[in-house]
Amino acid sequence: DTGVSQDPRHKITKRGQNVTFRCDPISEHNRLYWYRQTLGQGPEFLTYFQNEAQLEKSRLLSDRFSAERPKGSFSTLEIQRTEQGDSAMYLCASSPPEKTTPDTQYFGPGTRLTVL
Amino acid sequence: GNSVTQMEGPVTLSEEAFLTINCTYTATGYPSLFWYVQYPGEGLQLLLKATKADDKGSNKGFEATYRKETTSFHLEKGSVQVSDSAVYFCALHHSGGYQKVTFGTGTKLQVIP
Repeated sequence: DTGVSQDPRHKITKRGQNVTFRCDPISEHNRLYWYRQTLGQGPEFLTYFQNEAQLEKSRLLSDRFSAERPKGSFSTLEIQRTEQGDSAMYLCASSPPEKTTPDTQYFGPGTRLTVL
Repeated sequence: GNSVTQMEGPVTLSEEAFLTINCTYTATGYPSLFWYVQYPGEGLQLLLKATKADDKGSNKGFEATYRKETTSFHLEKGSVQVSDSAVYFCALHHSGGYQKVTFGTGTKLQVIP
């Protein structure tokens, strides 16, 4: 068990460019979550997948944001036409099927995005 | 809507001092409550949790009791160590089948020798 991994760890981009982040959850974890954390704040929920189905989306997830989990394993989060306000740490978390260790989410190290 | 309020930091304590970090919540239904910790340069880790009223979560000398009557989940530790220096987040997991977790803004703890 290597934990939740995220790639890249850091991304610097210019305003207007598209970026894509990847999250690999802990194996056998069928639930996956994306959060955004800005400086001095707690993580804010963005979206939730159970297997390949995206079951919950926050209103924070504007039209420029899209997340996928095509085979129910890794997930990608894409931001199109980035804005300076998108600069944040993007966190991924996973958790096992609900009947084992309910509610606990295991977090990755995050991808820090800086939009210039 | 659901929300979590925790005391602002930073909190600076001497080693072996008693720690309390206050957390109160607003929620519909019966949420589960958590404390997560973020050590410098590391990701968020679950510290402890409580899933129903009057439950006490405990781990690594930390404990918190789910108080429904005061809607609180204060974190306590009897004797802090320098290695406890980190940012602590109170969080709630919404009930009713939703998976969203709402976090507080975090409280930075610095323990000095």
